[in-house]
Amino acid sequence: EDQVTQSPEALRLQEGESSSLNCSYTVSGLRGLFWYRQDPGKGPEFLFTLYSAGEEKEKERLKATLTKKESFLHITAPKPEDSATYLCAVQARDSNSGYALNFGKGTSLLVTP
Amino acid sequence: KAGVTQTPRYLIKTRGQQVTLSCSPISGHRSVSWYQQTPGQGLQFLFEYFSETQRNKGNFPGRFSGRQFSNSRSEMNVSTLELGDSALYLCASSSGTSGRGEQFFGPGTRLTVL
Repeated sequence: EDQVTQSPEALRLQEGESSSLNCSYTVSGLRGLFWYRQDPGKGPEFLFTLYSAGEEKEKERLKATLTKKESFLHITAPKPEDSATYLCAVQARDSNSGYALNFGKGTSLLVTP
Repeated sequence: KAGVTQTPRYLIKTRGQQVTLSCSPISGHRSVSWYQQTPGQGLQFLFEYFSETQRNKGNFPGRFSGRQFSNSRSEMNVSTLELGDSALYLCASSSGTSGRGEQFFGPGTRLTVL
């Protein structure tokens, strides 16, 4: 069974203090691994898709990397506006799965000034 | 390009009632997926529709159902509401045909069951 585990559950950083969020996964065949950001009361906002081990993507202060077992979301010099819940999801290549996303429980990030 | 829209944004119902939620995907997208989000279980997949056909279904009881129309708009229905159905219901839109499976989410419908 596909499984996605995110750690830590919560993270508090000072402004400028870089860190990484982890997403460990097991899936029969990976079509893609997705990172989303979710603000309270809103729908998840798409950040990145990674398709194969070794792939990296960057956007402003965020950089996502992928191995065969896990993905990291690196946050460099975060600002208070980066505070949100970050969600990781996997999509299986299995045709029976369609485009269903299997989500982890998320990491709640708080960046203080 | 307009994003995914969901209506209504908030709903309050009582146990035993039924509810219908609506989702309009991004123009040109043919796949619509529905998810339930609760504090305890996180985001859980309900079902996916593509070209008016249910392509995949999550592990939810038959009280949860959906459909998709020819213009790709989708509705989901929950019958005989239970207290545990209180959640944020999210709709996600995807092209559904390319190898790239990015899904773009709407703002959600907050359902409260009393």
